[in-house]
Amino acid sequence: KQEVTQIPAALSVPEGENLVLNCSFTDSAIYNLQWFRQDPGKGLTSLLLIQSSQREQTSGRLNASLDKSSGRSTLYIAASQPGDSATYLCAVIDSGGSNYKLTFGKGTLLTVNP
Amino acid sequence: GAGVSQSPRYKVTKRGQDVALRCDPISGHVSLYWYRQALGQGPEFLTYFNYEAQQDKSGLPNDRFSAERPEGSISTLTIQRTEQRDSAMYRCASSLASLASGSSSYNEQFFGPGTRLTVL
Repeated sequence: KQEVTQIPAALSVPEGENLVLNCSFTDSAIYNLQWFRQDPGKGLTSLLLIQSSQREQTSGRLNASLDKSSGRSTLYIAASQPGDSATYLCAVIDSGGSNYKLTFGKGTLLTVNP
Repeated sequence: GAGVSQSPRYKVTKRGQDVALRCDPISGHVSLYWYRQALGQGPEFLTYFNYEAQQDKSGLPNDRFSAERPEGSISTLTIQRTEQRDSAMYRCASSLASLASGSSSYNEQFFGPGTRLTVL
């Protein structure tokens, strides 16, 4: 059974700092990996999707990398801003028969202090 | 265009009552998913539809939970005889398709705001 772990569980940084969020998964046979942002009272916002054949994806100040063989992904946030404060969730879709269901980690709660 | 919408946003009910949660996916999205999220946890898969066909309901906790999508668009998740342990955020997502089609956007899942269910 696929398990997704996110470290750290919580992170507090001063504004302007670059930071890395970590995600690991136990079964490397994944179809893709998706990073989400969760704000209180709102839905999950998809940030980046990386197909298993890709190594990284970039969107603005965000860069996500994928090392499928080692079961790891990182989300790099450059020049953090208070508006980046949220919970960041990592999720994978397995490449087996259930290649539609997302398996999520518990998330990293990020606080960016002005 | 409009994203995924869910209603109600908040639902408080008494133990033993039935509740129906609604999801309106993004127009044209073939696949629809229901997840449940407990406090401090990531969402967990409940069930999934392609068009009107329920393809997988393995994540539904027990037979008090059911879901339908009769016309391949709006979906309803129904919980009968609610219990306090059913209290959670219920999230719906949709995607263009669920199988690989060579495009990274085909199976990207887009989530609605969720329904916060509280069973007293």
